[in-house]
Amino acid sequence: DVKVTQSSRYLVKRTGEKVFLECVQDMDHENMFWYRQDPGLGLRLIYFSYDVKMKEKGDIPEGYSVSREKKERFSLILESASTNQTSMYLCASSPHETGISGANVLTFGAGSRLTVL
Amino acid sequence: AQSVTQLDSQVPVFEEAPVELRCNYSSSVSVYLFWYVQYPNQGLQLLLKYLSGSTLVESINGFEAEFNKSQTSFHLRKPSVHISDTAEYFCAVLKTSYDKVIFGPGTSLSVIP
Repeated sequence: DVKVTQSSRYLVKRTGEKVFLECVQDMDHENMFWYRQDPGLGLRLIYFSYDVKMKEKGDIPEGYSVSREKKERFSLILESASTNQTSMYLCASSPHETGISGANVLTFGAGSRLTVL
Repeated sequence: AQSVTQLDSQVPVFEEAPVELRCNYSSSVSVYLFWYVQYPNQGLQLLLKYLSGSTLVESINGFEAEFNKSQTSFHLRKPSVHISDTAEYFCAVLKTSYDKVIFGPGTSLSVIP
């Protein structure tokens, strides 16, 4: 019954490496999101997308990029990983319900814990 | 800018005792309010939500939250906690005219046997 799948649960990378975090959802949701989770800071939005090939910057986009070539897949890219990007990364999706019925309830993946050495 | 405050970062409580996790938000417009829960080594999942109507909302596992517009609060309560309630709890706010959810910093609930 997995609905949002993040391909890697744990990754260890070196400073300067390019990192791809993949996220796939099977609920036909229009909206997809990437958050990072750090102790004491909660979840901070990195990027989000409301449609294929569309992306919007969140609150902390610096050092990241995203790709959404297909509706079900939303990838987060770290062009040159740095130690301050060590974190838990959470992907989420939601239906594009602007009315009260959907209220954009988020469905999350299990997370990808990235360590940059 | 909209923000969400969770006043307690850690809440230890004995099993079968009551608990309240506090959440306050700042917003000048109508909002939707949520509580999400994150069990160890898992992603977040929705616990309950307030959209409109009755200000008291309940979850299937005994939690409830009350929307208080005058105090801009959405505190989460449970009259008797279980060991299985040990988790991180996040309060979240969604502006009715936008699709971006704002999360609080989280409260770690530890239930002690």
